[in-house]
Amino acid sequence: EVQLVESGGGLVQPGGSLRLSCAASGFTFSDHYMDWVRQAPGTGLEWVGRTRNRARSYTTEYAASVRGRFTVSRDDSKTSVYLQMNSLKTEDTAVYYCATGTRDSRGHYFIDNWGQGNLVTVSP
Amino acid sequence: DIQMTQSPSSLSASVGDRVTITCRASQDISSFLVWFQQKPGKAPKSLIYAASSLQSGVPSRFSGSGSGTDFSLTISNLQPEDFATYYCQQYNDYPLTFGGGTKVEIK
Repeated sequence: EVQLVESGGGLVQPGGSLRLSCAASGFTFSDHYMDWVRQAPGTGLEWVGRTRNRARSYTTEYAASVRGRFTVSRDDSKTSVYLQMNSLKTEDTAVYYCATGTRDSRGHYFIDNWGQGNLVTVSP
Repeated sequence: DIQMTQSPSSLSASVGDRVTITCRASQDISSFLVWFQQKPGKAPKSLIYAASSLQSGVPSRFSGSGSGTDFSLTISNLQPEDFATYYCQQYNDYPLTFGGGTKVEIK
């Protein structure tokens, strides 16, 4: 069974930094892409970023709203993925989900497993 | 960026009803679309991928259709546990983008 457990959330002041972690188990972590998705209170889902696997040179993709401030990284030896968040803004307040997925029959990667989420609050 | 527009944003239905939610992409995404269900305080759950493929373990009353720019999720014989918010998401291109959600409420 796939398990994704996020940690590291909490209260931080605007301009501050925070690092989220996601411990994965139940699947071959090194083969999979890993994503972060967030959800601000009472609103919808927003994709944040992705790290690909070793076969794809651990390359990353980001939403424009976080590019240059957030960094997605991974440690395959610890089966963990991280989200380093710098220069935080009040609008970054959200529940942050770690997610992974699989490829469809045409080889495109889609999300199909989510962690339980971790709340990050950015406030003075 | 590819914009995903869901409609309606909310609907009221009764147990046993057939419900259809639509999702429109701002450009052709082929069949690279997933549908998620989310209940309050919980993580989303994957229902449908590749526009029409049912995820393992998902009841057959859920079905998806469409390709290109127009998609739909249908729930036949709505059950009490189906009252939730539903999101579509495209995975054709970056950034991955979600629809705004459709809240299915009890009439």
